[in-house]
This record gives sequence, C-alpha cells and structure tokens, in this order.
Amino acid sequence: GAVVSQHPSWVICKSGTSVKIECRSLDFQATTMFWYRQFPKQSLMLMATSNEGSKATYEQGVEKDKFLINHASLTLSTLTVTSAHPEDSSFYICSARQTSSYNEQFFGPGTRLTVL
Amino acid sequence: AQTVTQSQPEMSVQEAETVTLSCTYDTSESDYYLFWYKQPPSRQMILVIRQEAYKQQNATENRFSVNFQKAAKSFSLKISDSQLGDAAMYFCAYRSALRGANSKLTFGKGITLSVRP
Repeated sequence: GAVVSQHPSWVICKSGTSVKIECRSLDFQATTMFWYRQFPKQSLMLMATSNEGSKATYEQGVEKDKFLINHASLTLSTLTVTSAHPEDSSFYICSARQTSSYNEQFFGPGTRLTVL
Repeated sequence: AQTVTQSQPEMSVQEAETVTLSCTYDTSESDYYLFWYKQPPSRQMILVIRQEAYKQQNATENRFSVNFQKAAKSFSLKISDSQLGDAAMYFCAYRSALRGANSKLTFGKGITLSVRP
C-alpha cells in the first residue's frame, strides 16, 4: 500500500513557541490531505481538510489562526501549531487520499506533541 | 449528518477463538463506504477491511470478515482464529461516496480488543 510519513514523530516544546509537523505522501500524489487530533483512548477528531494549492477547510471549533495548514504540493502538507499551550498537547495524525476509484485514504504514523 | 456508533468500549477474546465487534451507523445516503481500521499500540492506523454499500456480498480479508446489513445499518467485524497481534483499538468508519476526494471519514468511538494467550 501507499506510504504516508510524518515528521517529527515526537516533539516537546515550550509554551508560547510554534511547532511545525510535516506530512508527506511518499509514493503517490495526494490532492487531499486530512489532519486529525487524537487524545488517549479516544477516536480521531478531524481538524481540517486541505487541498493542494488552496486554503484548508477547518472543522467547527478548530481555530484557523492557531492551527495553520499549508498544502503546497501534491506530496506535502504541514500543520503549524502556533503559540502552543499545554492544552495543545496531543497526538496529531495526518492522512492522504489517493486518487483512485475508491479514493483510498492512507494514514501517517502520527506525531506526539508535548507542550511544557 | 452521518453518525457511527460503537457501543462496546472493550472486548476480550481467547487466542485462536472468534470475536465479533459491533458497529451501527446512521445515514440518509444510499451510496457510501464502510471501513474497519485497526490502531495497535504503535498508533499507526491500518485499514482492515472495506465494504461498498452497493455490494450485497460481505467483504472478507483472510481472517477478517464483515456482516453488512444495509437495511439495519449494521456493520460488524468478525475476527477468526484470533492472534495476539490482533490486540488493538478498532474503529468503524463511514464515508459518503457522493462527495469525491473531499469526502470525510466519520469514525466511531472505537473498541479496545484484548487477546488472552
């Protein structure tokens, strides 16, 4: 199957700083990428949907200015958590959709963010 | 809006035995996909099985099979000959087939499956 990578896999930062997480589709082009947030033992919560070359569509309740998403190419999307606070600590997962008859969706391994 | 319900938070199965995980969903659409995803302790989401709503035949993938009841809006996953590596969190998910590449996955709350040796 297709591979999606995320970098970094784990990041610790100080409160007030910004953190960028990269999501790459390694062997396919992804016109659509999704960003999720997951708390321990809970389901995935969709934060936003991004399409290459256009602005991301954010889910209700997700702050656009805090979670900046850029989908500059067909293989790369980034999520920047700006002015991070301890409550932003979570597991962030990206997913890329492959253009096919099923529009198969592949998930990255996730990034654990800890804000001190 | 579509909803996916997994009412059992946890289940346990003896190694080599069979277990069924339940899932119900609600939708007014006729064309959609249903999925079961596995999330092991590594937290990497893995697609277990997919079912197209227009297909009457239940999907199977090796030891994994589904019981898709469209009228009842039920989509259960059966794991046969359970293995220790099957221990994970399992999510049922729905996706509309009508909205193309931007169509979102709607996940259930998940169920934690443990396998007893």
